[in-house]
Amino acid sequence: QQQVKQSPQSLIVQKGGISIINCAYENTAFDYFPWYQQFPGKGPALLIAIRPDVSEKKEGRFTISFNKSAKQFSLHIMDSQPGDSATYFCAASMETSYDKVIFGPGTSLSVIP
Amino acid sequence: ETGVTQSPTHLIKTRGQQVTLRCSSQSGHNTVSWYQQALGQGPQFIFQYYREEENGRGNFPPRFSGLQFPNYSSELNVNALELDDSALYLCASSSEGRAMNTEAFFGQGTRLTVV
Repeated sequence: QQQVKQSPQSLIVQKGGISIINCAYENTAFDYFPWYQQFPGKGPALLIAIRPDVSEKKEGRFTISFNKSAKQFSLHIMDSQPGDSATYFCAASMETSYDKVIFGPGTSLSVIP
Repeated sequence: ETGVTQSPTHLIKTRGQQVTLRCSSQSGHNTVSWYQQALGQGPQFIFQYYREEENGRGNFPPRFSGLQFPNYSSELNVNALELDDSALYLCASSSEGRAMNTEAFFGQGTRLTVV
């Protein structure tokens, strides 16, 4: 019940294409869903986050779609660029419970020219 | 760069030894969280320190311990090292006593190898 599932494990997209990463959770007490981007040799960096009272959030080329009834959320990267090549983690947490922060297993994205 | 610095960047230890990892939090942040990231996996929450007190702990044994100092820097100590402790250890700092609901800034991590 504490897991966050993430797919695909790896993704190859051509430059200019759309990258889509999907996540699912089971614990309905989660109320904050951030996405992190991690480059090799670096720590994760917050990319974008959403709360379940919103169905979509867009920041630049990055969009989170959230389906509360299905307990699923996804990250869309529009006009994918080679510089977007990184590992992406979805995560979930509960505002009242610091130790409930759960990361997904990650998706390795490669954007090819 | 996030302003969160970790040392050392790489470390090799022998099974059974003890290790101390260090983290300097971003200026103005009073909360430090530690995560273990095994190869190919997402980070796993170890514990959090808020104003020098432990403020939550994940599913890690007591041989993982920590400290936070008055300047809000932090240490992660691991005793009786096991081969499975080999991982990237990440420190994240934030400005409130919650792990993720305010933005947490991660350091570059310490790569620990236990042989």
